[in-house]
Amino acid sequence: QKEVEQNSGPLSVPEGAIASLNCTYSDRGSQSFFWYRQYSGKSPELIMSIYSNGDKEDGRFTAQLNKASQYVSLLIRDSQPSDSATYLCAVNEDSGGYQKVTFGTGTKLQVIP
Amino acid sequence: AAGVIQSPRHLIKEKRETATLKCYPIPRHDTVYWYQQGPGQDPQFLISFYEKMQSDKGSIPDRFSAQQFSDYHSELNMSSLELGDSALYFCASSARGVFPDFIYTGELFFGEGSRLTVL
Repeated sequence: QKEVEQNSGPLSVPEGAIASLNCTYSDRGSQSFFWYRQYSGKSPELIMSIYSNGDKEDGRFTAQLNKASQYVSLLIRDSQPSDSATYLCAVNEDSGGYQKVTFGTGTKLQVIP
Repeated sequence: AAGVIQSPRHLIKEKRETATLKCYPIPRHDTVYWYQQGPGQDPQFLISFYEKMQSDKGSIPDRFSAQQFSDYHSELNMSSLELGDSALYFCASSARGVFPDFIYTGELFFGEGSRLTVL
């Protein structure tokens, strides 16, 4: 069973709307949570990181973390066509001196002009 | 700022041949990861190294091997190539610990990838 779950989508939203991407994880020992954006054929690019419960805002992006529910989300306000990409949730556990990173399957976002 | 460097960017091989991919992490990053991403799939973790020692192993075939050298660069060796090995191979690096000017965050920084095509 995949340890990090995401809805594969595609998630379609109109331009200017809010896109909501969700991710759940199974390992309660996880300490760091990340959202990466990946355009087709390109490498993943870090867009948000969050380490404590609550919201973290960076421009049009807001990450939300709820460790009790083992849930992390990403909100994209005022969605733009350039936001169309696959968004990967990643969970990082510092395990015995090294890092173990697990990626979700990714959610494909389509922003319709 | 220096980024993760991968080479070659593109590689074409025949079945049963051998391929070697190289990765140069960001300076002072102590952990290197290798991922394989097939078309339409999420990155699949292959192997990682922390301070030149193998730290974790994922779904890496026995035909593949990797190592990290004293200068922290890493190489992924793939032998007896199969058609299914055609994929994008990403290397990523991260830092662990507290340094004078930054604190460990666990963020992965990816190279641009090496596209392997097996014919």
